Amino acid sequence: KAGVTQTPRYLIKTRGQQVTLSCSPISGHRSVSWYQQTPGQGLQFLFEYFSETQRNKGNFPGRFSGRQFSNSRSEMNVSTLELGDSALYLCASSPDRGDQPQHFGDGTRLSIL
Amino acid sequence: AQSVTQLGSHVSVSEGALVLLRCNYSSSVPPYLFWYVQYPNQGLQLLLKYTSAATLVKGINGFEAEFKKSETSFHLTKPSAHMSDAAEYFCAVNRDDKIIFGKGTRLHILP
Repeated sequence: KAGVTQTPRYLIKTRGQQVTLSCSPISGHRSVSWYQQTPGQGLQFLFEYFSETQRNKGNFPGRFSGRQFSNSRSEMNVSTLELGDSALYLCASSPDRGDQPQHFGDGTRLSIL
Repeated sequence: AQSVTQLGSHVSVSEGALVLLRCNYSSSVPPYLFWYVQYPNQGLQLLLKYTSAATLVKGINGFEAEFKKSETSFHLTKPSAHMSDAAEYFCAVNRDDKIIFGKGTRLHILP
């Protein structure tokens, strides 16, 4: 069974640009959660999607958004990038609830110049 | 609100020695608790989970954790450290239908 796949693995952008990250969950998993990981703040919850609906949201500005498609694949978008958005973005999937043990992808490393 | 506190951002142990990583949770009711491990340039991998079925939980790679309600703790242990255990370890708790992670403890193994 394939694991959670995140693309791309690495991304370099400049301030003011926007970026879209992709996540394909484990087959059959319907819940997809996104996290931002930085050395200073650790792992912070961004949002969770289930059946194409955002079910839970963390404390991030509106520049961070996401969506989920009918096949459970998910994308997150960050607009008007800031230097502080440099981080490892992790996607995780679980069968149906965001508070169940989650399976993580290897992340997308986003660097803002 | 539930949260977890991991004591020690860095822990060093000698190869073959006992590994003890500390985690305390704050909750009025026993929560679901998890330990995850993260190797360099990878995502997180579930080590074990506590779901109230048993207080001593065995996980992968020889790790185990004991839930102690009286101490609100869920410390992670391994009897004998191996070089391959060098990684960052996260304690986590479920809260409001999502998982909240501790700040993490980086485990260093000394030869």
